[in-house]
Amino acid sequence: SQQGEEDPQALSIQEGENATMNCSYKTSINNLQWYRQNSGRGLVHLILIRSNEREKHSGRLRVTLDTSKKSSSLLITASRAADTASYFCATGFQGAQKLVFGQGTRLTINP
Amino acid sequence: KAGVTQTPRYLIKTRGQQVTLSCSPISGHRSVSWYQQTPGQGLQFLFEYFSETQRNKGNFPGRFSGRQFSNSRSEMNVSTLELGDSALYLCASSLLARPNTDTQYFGPGTRLTVL
Repeated sequence: SQQGEEDPQALSIQEGENATMNCSYKTSINNLQWYRQNSGRGLVHLILIRSNEREKHSGRLRVTLDTSKKSSSLLITASRAADTASYFCATGFQGAQKLVFGQGTRLTINP
Repeated sequence: KAGVTQTPRYLIKTRGQQVTLSCSPISGHRSVSWYQQTPGQGLQFLFEYFSETQRNKGNFPGRFSGRQFSNSRSEMNVSTLELGDSALYLCASSLLARPNTDTQYFGPGTRLTVL
């Protein structure tokens, strides 16, 4: 399967701490994207990193991509209660007009 | 700009019935993709349309079909519903013609329950 795998499946931390989620995939990609989903709603795009990029930042988010290890990580710094959600990585492959999503990490921020 | 809209938001059907879900993309977006989300299988790609043409289809039975209209609005249809079709159906649109490389903007989803 081309589907990415995310680790951990669930993560619970205290407000103010940093949260790190990892994503691994199996084949060469064009890009990797991270999305957030709140409680069964639609997905919200967070950040896109292309295969020739190694790191990207957006506000409190930092994404890294290691194509040699076929893995990516999403770091959320100074977490807030509003960050409680499921986080998905999605990979785009050459020649396939679709994204392939991982199973997601359920993040809980405790006040 | 208005976001991606999906109607209806909730549906309850019984086995054997059919259902049609609708998706209106962001104005100017011509690519529309559909995904099925279930607790067991996660997010799975159904199909993608661009300029009224289906360019890619996921591994779903022929009971799942879709179409796109000239205004880029899209519908998906599921015939002969089964209990396992209960899911959140998500529609996403992208500005450019390459959903595998572009940001996708998702609608709120249609929650389908099959009894």
